[in-house]
Amino acid sequence: GDSVTQMEGPVTLSEEAFLTINCTYTATGYPSLFWYVQYPGEGLQLLLKATKADDKGSNKGFEATYRKETTSFHLEKGSVQVSDSAVYFCAFANSGYALNFGKGTSLLVTP
Amino acid sequence: DVKVTQSSRYLVKRTGEKVFLECVQDMDHENMFWYRQDPGLGLRLIYFSYDVKMKEKGDIPEGYSVSREKKERFSLILESASTNQTSMYLCASIQAQGYNEQFFGPGTRLTVL
Repeated sequence: GDSVTQMEGPVTLSEEAFLTINCTYTATGYPSLFWYVQYPGEGLQLLLKATKADDKGSNKGFEATYRKETTSFHLEKGSVQVSDSAVYFCAFANSGYALNFGKGTSLLVTP
Repeated sequence: DVKVTQSSRYLVKRTGEKVFLECVQDMDHENMFWYRQDPGLGLRLIYFSYDVKMKEKGDIPEGYSVSREKKERFSLILESASTNQTSMYLCASIQAQGYNEQFFGPGTRLTVL
């Protein structure tokens, strides 16, 4: 069935390190892909999205490219900050607009 | 600024109580959702609604019901709360057309004793 697999955390990085969070999906058709972020004590907010193959979503220094051939949407950032500490969720939407979420990856950035 | 609000941030109830979680959005969105968030399980869809008085079961509807009497309000009801319903509950809404983002509320952390 439809599912999202993302790398397990927690991930701990030093400030200014490079970040990659892997995400792959199993879905029928051509879903739209999303990364959501949840800061401590808050709800989820959209970080970036891509709606078709080879699209690159970007926001706040984060990037992810929709790779249809590998069914992947890996999240990257060149230099993380302490303020990026949060839980990151990969998700896709097919029909009906409901999202299928991965289990989330907790990121802790230390000074 | 768009907004999804939930009636409570924290809620403590006893086993067997009837629990109402309220969600209101001010964006005139057609579609609304209730998710449950648990550590290690991510977010799972409980119910969603694509119009007033319309509802569809999500992946884990057992033990829950919903009500949507007005477009802006979507309520999640636990008819008889149980300890395994202790969780974080997140409401979201989205405009019907196009793959726009879902907007989430801040969540309600429910503890059932």
